[in-house]
Amino acid sequence: DSGVTQTPKHLITATGQRVTLRCSPRSGDLSVYWYQQSLDQGLQFLIQYYNGEERAKGNILERFSAQQFPDLHSELNLSSLELGDSALYFCASSAQGGRGGYTFGSGTRLTVV
Amino acid sequence: DAKTTQPNSMESNEEEPVHLPCNHSTISGTDYIHWYRQLPSQGPEYVIHGLTSNVNNRMASLAIAEDRKSSTLILHRATLRDAAVYYCILRDVGGGTSYGKLTFGQGTILTVHP
Repeated sequence: DSGVTQTPKHLITATGQRVTLRCSPRSGDLSVYWYQQSLDQGLQFLIQYYNGEERAKGNILERFSAQQFPDLHSELNLSSLELGDSALYFCASSAQGGRGGYTFGSGTRLTVV
Repeated sequence: DAKTTQPNSMESNEEEPVHLPCNHSTISGTDYIHWYRQLPSQGPEYVIHGLTSNVNNRMASLAIAEDRKSSTLILHRATLRDAAVYYCILRDVGGGTSYGKLTFGQGTILTVHP
């Protein structure tokens, strides 16, 4: 157990639907990062939150959004799902300043059918 | 983002040392060198990081060239559980636009033979 909890572990849904992925960071970590890993794209950075505020944005589609709540857990919302959104979605957290290592969760495997 | 270059794959025998190279010729003064590894169907796992000096921890050692344009991750005695994809990543802590995120490349696939 890395200390970063992601739920659900697996999700199967149909095209056009909307899903929410949840991440609880390691205790004490203020930063949360979301990554997408598909077979042909490798690990792609989506977005970062620090203490509730968006801090950095990567290649995140407009159909995707995220937020970090006062208790520091984060949610990634994926809407109007397409087959190409099928991937592993990882959440990571880091301490204030992030000069140390990042801790990743075990991921949510999303399958869009 | 400053870029890293790693060999696509490497092989090793069990209980032998492994030296995984990484080139980062465009590294800036505020870039930390991070190494992560990813086992099949798992999230990336932090291995080690450093700025200028060589670093050791229970998992590995990181040797950083004097000009910081390259680094080497050293696994002192490879085990079968070390078979994974190893990523060398530069992390900007200087407050620039890339601040915070880790940009993963393709990494090096390490195969460990019994």
